[in-house]
Amino acid sequence: AAGVIQSPRHLIKEKRETATLKCYPIPRHDTVYWYQQGPGQDPQFLISFYEKMQSDKGSIPDRFSAQQFSDYHSELNMSSLELGDSALYFCASSTLSINYGYTFGSGTRLTVV
Amino acid sequence: QQQVKQSPQSLIVQKGGISIINCAYENTAFDYFPWYQQFPGKGPALLIAIRPDVSEKKEGRFTISFNKSAKQFSLHIMDSQPGDSATYFCAASRSTDKLIFGTGTRLQVFP
Repeated sequence: AAGVIQSPRHLIKEKRETATLKCYPIPRHDTVYWYQQGPGQDPQFLISFYEKMQSDKGSIPDRFSAQQFSDYHSELNMSSLELGDSALYFCASSTLSINYGYTFGSGTRLTVV
Repeated sequence: QQQVKQSPQSLIVQKGGISIINCAYENTAFDYFPWYQQFPGKGPALLIAIRPDVSEKKEGRFTISFNKSAKQFSLHIMDSQPGDSATYFCAASRSTDKLIFGTGTRLQVFP
């Protein structure tokens, strides 16, 4: 079965650089969520999209932005990177029609040096 | 403010034993309570989930017990195996709103 695909798997950036993370949801899933997980922490919600519109916003810094495209894939853009942005970034997708099942991707490990 | 409180933070169980992880929530509007298993460097994987209209759900060695009046739910892992060693997160959400995670429990199962 198709899963949530995230790219890249690993990313190393320098401070003040920009990073773009991509997420391809499960086909026919209409909602995408982004989470940030620091070392030893629980995943923290950043932002979500439903049918290409932003549906909810969490603790996402102003330096970050995201969008969902017409093919339902989503991109998380992170600018002016800081050391504290080093974390695992997960994307999840879901749809109401399958009993609220959320499926997570394998994540992107971002390291800011 | 942690909307979903999880305990214990870490758990050590002998092979064949029962692992029990507890969670409590505040928001009575939550209607979906999943448990996720996460291995290092991997994404959370859905183990089992429950809706508030049932008090227990069992899938293989994994059981969720749900107490709506106490706003608590727990995960029981029967016959725990070394391969179960991972971090477990409870979570809660309302409809397809964002998942609110507990703080996680690191389970270690020793042979």
